[in-house]
Amino acid sequence: AQSVTQPDIHITVSEGASLELRCNYSYGATPYLFWYVQSPGQGLQLLLKYFSGDTLVQGIKGFEAEFKRSQSSFNLRKPSVHWSDAAEYFCAVGGVTGGGNKLTFGTGTQLKVEL
Amino acid sequence: NAGVTQTPKFQVLKTGQSMTLQCAQDMNHEYMSWYRQDPGMGLRLIHYSVGAGITDQGEVPNGYNVSRSTTEDFPLRLLSAAPSQTSVYFCASRPGGAGGELFFGEGSRLTVL
Repeated sequence: AQSVTQPDIHITVSEGASLELRCNYSYGATPYLFWYVQSPGQGLQLLLKYFSGDTLVQGIKGFEAEFKRSQSSFNLRKPSVHWSDAAEYFCAVGGVTGGGNKLTFGTGTQLKVEL
Repeated sequence: NAGVTQTPKFQVLKTGQSMTLQCAQDMNHEYMSWYRQDPGMGLRLIHYSVGAGITDQGEVPNGYNVSRSTTEDFPLRLLSAAPSQTSVYFCASRPGGAGGELFFGEGSRLTVL
């Protein structure tokens, strides 16, 4: 069964500092990987996705993520965090197998930005 | 530019009552799904559909029914609401095939007393 682990429930960073959110996945074949962001009271918005090819993926709002197959990881990074980045971030995995129609989400990481 | 529209946004039910959460998308997406979001548990898949007339169970289907009579609509029915169904519900859609981006509605907050 596919699964996603986000080991950090809460993270606090200072504005202007760098950010890395961790994501580890379990999937039996080549995965599709996603990062979504959710602002309070809102639905989820896609930040970036990895399907194949270059393992470093660029997304919106200055975010990037790196797929590391050997570590089953897809960590999200941003070089300099802005106060508006405070939100909850979800990593998700899907794929082309029978489970590919199901996108499995992690439990989320709540990001707080200190001014 | 409607995208995925969910109604109602808020609902309070008593235990045992029934209700339907509506979901409509105007992007001609084949795939539609319902998730519930609970604190500390992320999003869990309830039911999904890969096209009109086709539905399947997700991770937490008990207590919920769905149908897909048209490409646009994917209602979620609670036949006899229970307090454990208090949650925020999200409908999402994407084009057919695996791996595409999911587009989410704004959510429906349901409280069962």
